[in-house]
Amino acid sequence: DTGVSQDPRHKITKRGQNVTFRCDPISEHNRLYWYRQTLGQGPEFLTYFQNEAQLEKSRLLSDRFSAERPKGSFSTLEIQRTEQGDSAMYLCASSERTPSTGELFFGEGSRLTVL
Amino acid sequence: SQQGEEDPQALSIQEGENATMNCSYKTSINNLQWYRQNSGRGLVHLILIRSNEREKHSGRLRVTLDTSKKSSSLLITASRAADTASYFCATRRETSGSRLTFGEGTQLTVNP
Repeated sequence: DTGVSQDPRHKITKRGQNVTFRCDPISEHNRLYWYRQTLGQGPEFLTYFQNEAQLEKSRLLSDRFSAERPKGSFSTLEIQRTEQGDSAMYLCASSERTPSTGELFFGEGSRLTVL
Repeated sequence: SQQGEEDPQALSIQEGENATMNCSYKTSINNLQWYRQNSGRGLVHLILIRSNEREKHSGRLRVTLDTSKKSSSLLITASRAADTASYFCATRRETSGSRLTFGEGTQLTVNP
């Protein structure tokens, strides 16, 4: 399978615990994005990388959230001291570096439930 | 905050009918894209229209863009039960770098 893969697909955790999600983008894509989606809403932008550089971060990304893409390939999104409001689907997407298009290829998402 | 607003929020039609969804946005854009999402799954890109284009077709999909009204519409012709999904418009602003900003979506139900 050469699409975007995310792991785990589902995570249930207790409030206050840390969680980490991993995203493997399409191999030839150098841009990687994280979005958050709650039920009945559209995806909300969190952050994006070009290669290993984190070029843009949303104000939604509080200091409890950190994202990395150490070698410009896979990326991790860590949420520290989780809160119930963090319950959502976390979506990863990748794209080629083509300014005039920029179609995003999404993974299936990682669903987080904070109890 | 969301850039786009879709209308209607929900649409229920019979198989074979056409479905039209609308999207409005607030700022100048580079391009506008439509995505589809089946329940609990990731989003799938459907079609992209650039700011200098007015209409685009892809199979049973027709997208229009009116930059003077800051609005777009997605028409699905001869709908099928398999078209049941949520549909989102997403805009790439002229000044926001690479970020795509999504609307709230339209939930389409096609009844067999």
